[in-house]
Amino acid sequence: EAGVAQSPRYKIIEKRQSVAFWCNPISGHATLYWYQQILGQGPKLLIQFQNNGVVDDSQLPKDRFSAERLKGVDSTLKIQPAKLEDSAVYLCASSLAAEQYFGPGTRLTVT
Amino acid sequence: GENVEQHPSTLSVQEGDSAVIKCTYSDSASNYFPWYKQELGKRPQLIIDIRSNVGEKKDQRIAVTLNKTAKHFSLHITETQPEDSAVYFCAASRAGNQFYFGTGTSLTVIP
Repeated sequence: EAGVAQSPRYKIIEKRQSVAFWCNPISGHATLYWYQQILGQGPKLLIQFQNNGVVDDSQLPKDRFSAERLKGVDSTLKIQPAKLEDSAVYLCASSLAAEQYFGPGTRLTVT
Repeated sequence: GENVEQHPSTLSVQEGDSAVIKCTYSDSASNYFPWYKQELGKRPQLIIDIRSNVGEKKDQRIAVTLNKTAKHFSLHITETQPEDSAVYFCAASRAGNQFYFGTGTSLTVIP
């Protein structure tokens, strides 16, 4: 069974630029999560989708972050404009029941 | 919202000794408690989980205990090995929704 795929793996941008991350969950997993993991901290949930509907986006900074999952499969997370404090690893996870499976993450550096 | 606290932040043990990591949570509605192992530069991997209708669960050298009344749960690793060295995260969730992670414990097993 293929795992959660993410791209790109690394991205370096300047502040005020925009960036987008892509996630392809495990086939058949209805639930998809985006997390932000700052160095030395635990993952912080940004948004959770159930199929293509949003279950929870209470911790998503909506003035600059947006996410979509149009066909209930792949998802994109966008940051516009980026700030220095957005430097982190962005993890995507998917689940069929409660158990989450994480992708390799995208390491974002904002300079 | 939920608040998950994790202790200790760092832990060093001699190979063969046991390691215990403790977490507390605040939301009595949380009913699913996974533990993840994250090696440097890699994705979090689910190692064991427990649901609120169970007090203890064991998988070979790893066990998790849950005290719903006190709102705390613990990870126990017996007969530690150098390959157990990693950062361990606890999390609390409402049936796969609204995951909140602890701040992590860096475990070092000294050969």
